Amino acid sequence: DADVTQTPRNRITKTGKRIMLECSQTKGHDRMYWYRQDPGLGLRLIYYSFDVKDINKGEISDGYSVSRQAQAKFSLSLESAIPNQTALYFCATSNSLGAPRNEQFFGPGTRLTVL
Amino acid sequence: AQSVTQLGSHVSVSEGALVLLRCNYSSSVPPYLFWYVQYPNQGLQLLLKYTSAATLVKGINGFEAEFKKSETSFHLTKPSAHMSDAAEYFCAVSDSNTGKLIFGQGTTLQVKP
Repeated sequence: DADVTQTPRNRITKTGKRIMLECSQTKGHDRMYWYRQDPGLGLRLIYYSFDVKDINKGEISDGYSVSRQAQAKFSLSLESAIPNQTALYFCATSNSLGAPRNEQFFGPGTRLTVL
Repeated sequence: AQSVTQLGSHVSVSEGALVLLRCNYSSSVPPYLFWYVQYPNQGLQLLLKYTSAATLVKGINGFEAEFKKSETSFHLTKPSAHMSDAAEYFCAVSDSNTGKLIFGQGTTLQVKP
């Protein structure tokens, strides 16, 4: 079984709709992250959480919100989707013990299309 | 602020040829550096990381990278490309305070038969 899972894997929605992307992990890590990937721009950090009560904005948080329901679950919401939020979204996890030298572990991604 | 720059958004090599993917970093403190690979329709997978031990780091699938402080570089190499190496490769630096990863723009590797 995958250590970091994301649901849904693909989603097509319309402008103005509310969308939630979910991430779960079984690695026992305390840190979780949401990134978006756009061609030619690499991965950009949207939000990150170092534990259940510690949530922080990344470099491109406008238009997004998150919820850390438990140590293993971290959801990303688009309150009112717009076409330029069409992208590939990744969840990642890492262990705070030994950070910042620790790598992050990535989920398979969610491809979101906003029409 | 820390950053990485990947030189060349697309690299094309013939099967069996040397692979060289370039990454330069900017950091005011000793950096922790990573190379990730993304195969089509998959998430990112760690190839290797530099954490201030040996400057020549060996990773999975025959890849290696050398940390050169004088050149602020962390280039990824593989002596002989395989068709299965076709993918997108990302260089990243870890923020020294928070551990967040800062990614380069990515390099797409094409391997020709």
